[in-house]
Amino acid sequence: QVTLKESGPGILQPSHTLSLTCSFSGFSLSTYGMGVSWIRQPSGKGLECLASIWWNGNTYNNPSLKSRLTVSKDTSNNQAFLKVTSVDTADTATYYCAHTRYDGTYYYVMDVWGQGASVTVSS
Amino acid sequence: DIQMTQSPSSMSASLGDRVTITCQASQDIGNNLIWFQQKPGKSPRPMIYYATNLANGVPSRFSGSRSGSDYSLTISSLESEDMADYHCLQYKQYPWTFGGGTKLELK
Repeated sequence: QVTLKESGPGILQPSHTLSLTCSFSGFSLSTYGMGVSWIRQPSGKGLECLASIWWNGNTYNNPSLKSRLTVSKDTSNNQAFLKVTSVDTADTATYYCAHTRYDGTYYYVMDVWGQGASVTVSS
Repeated sequence: DIQMTQSPSSMSASLGDRVTITCQASQDIGNNLIWFQQKPGKSPRPMIYYATNLANGVPSRFSGSRSGSDYSLTISSLESEDMADYHCLQYKQYPWTFGGGTKLELK
């Protein structure tokens, strides 16, 4: 059974760096086809896909955040990480990580989600 | 970026109604579209994969269809547990993009 759980600072100040951890079980990010995606949702608004990291180390960052995003993984500890630099109030949102997999033919995108981590950027 | 235009943004319907929500893609995405259901305070749940395939455990009253660049999620007979927000997502091309969401409420 795949499960994921996000953890983060809760609140941070503008211009600081947001660091989020996705701790997961039921799969390995060293196994062919496995991936983790990061998504955020401001309160009362829609969803935005931020980044993805795959079993082979390939990553994708949404260019809307320019070069502020870094996604990485620790396969030994079954964790994925998201860093967002120079945060401002517009980065206030619930941040989710989600399991994504590719079986060589089909993608199963965001088939299991974490519970989300609330992040508030405020001075 | 591929834009996903979702409509309506909100709607109210009665129990037993047939409900249809639509996403229009700005470019060809093939069948690379997912529908998610999100209840208040909860994480999204995938309902339909590859535009027309029901995800595991999803009731058969849900269905997905495609007509050209228009993708639809239909609930054949609305039940109270279906009140939620619904989101489409295209994963044909990075950045993967969501529609704006539809809030489905009880009339």
